[in-house]
Amino acid sequence: GENVEQHPSTLSVQEGDSAVIKCTYSDSASNYFPWYKQELGKRPQLIIDIRSNVGEKKDQRIAVTLNKTAKHFSLHITETQPEDSAVYFCAAMDSNYQLIWGAGTKLIIKP
Amino acid sequence: EAQVTQNPRYLITVTGKKLTVTCSQNMNHEYMSWYRQDPGLGLRQIYYSMNVEVTDKGDVPEGYKVSRKEKRNFPLILESPSPNQTSLYFCASSLYSNYGYTFGSGTRLTVV
Repeated sequence: GENVEQHPSTLSVQEGDSAVIKCTYSDSASNYFPWYKQELGKRPQLIIDIRSNVGEKKDQRIAVTLNKTAKHFSLHITETQPEDSAVYFCAAMDSNYQLIWGAGTKLIIKP
Repeated sequence: EAQVTQNPRYLITVTGKKLTVTCSQNMNHEYMSWYRQDPGLGLRQIYYSMNVEVTDKGDVPEGYKVSRKEKRNFPLILESPSPNQTSLYFCASSLYSNYGYTFGSGTRLTVV
């Protein structure tokens, strides 16, 4: 079955710098890859998603890239701000149309 | 306002006392799901429902039941709660399973 690995588990960056979180998946048939942000004490919220027919997608300071050959996808956050501090989860859809989740990355933005 | 409503937000109960956590969505979503979140273990799926009267086990279904008698509601039932079910629970819904999920606010359950 599908397996999703997410790295790093914790990422600390200086405010204004870029942050990159990487996920790898095992099922080559996976075709949907969302990213969720969970602020402390709050619910996860979808921030961006990508489907397998697209290699990159951008939304303001956030972008996701997908490499189907290598079976990995990454979240890129540019010009980081204090409000970007949160836990970020990647996920990939398996053959049963269920999301398989990464373990999460705690992003810390240092002032 | 489009939303997923979970109740209660907080619940402390005793071992063995049946309880139900309600989840309701007003977006006419086909897909609904329950997750539990524990420190260091991320999000683990308990049960999901692709449509009315269709439910399936997720990764950690033991000790839980669900029902989907109507599209908007997807209650989570703990027939005989145990302390290892102490957790933060989230309900989620989406148009279909391969669309973005909207999560409820969460239910923090403590079983003593």
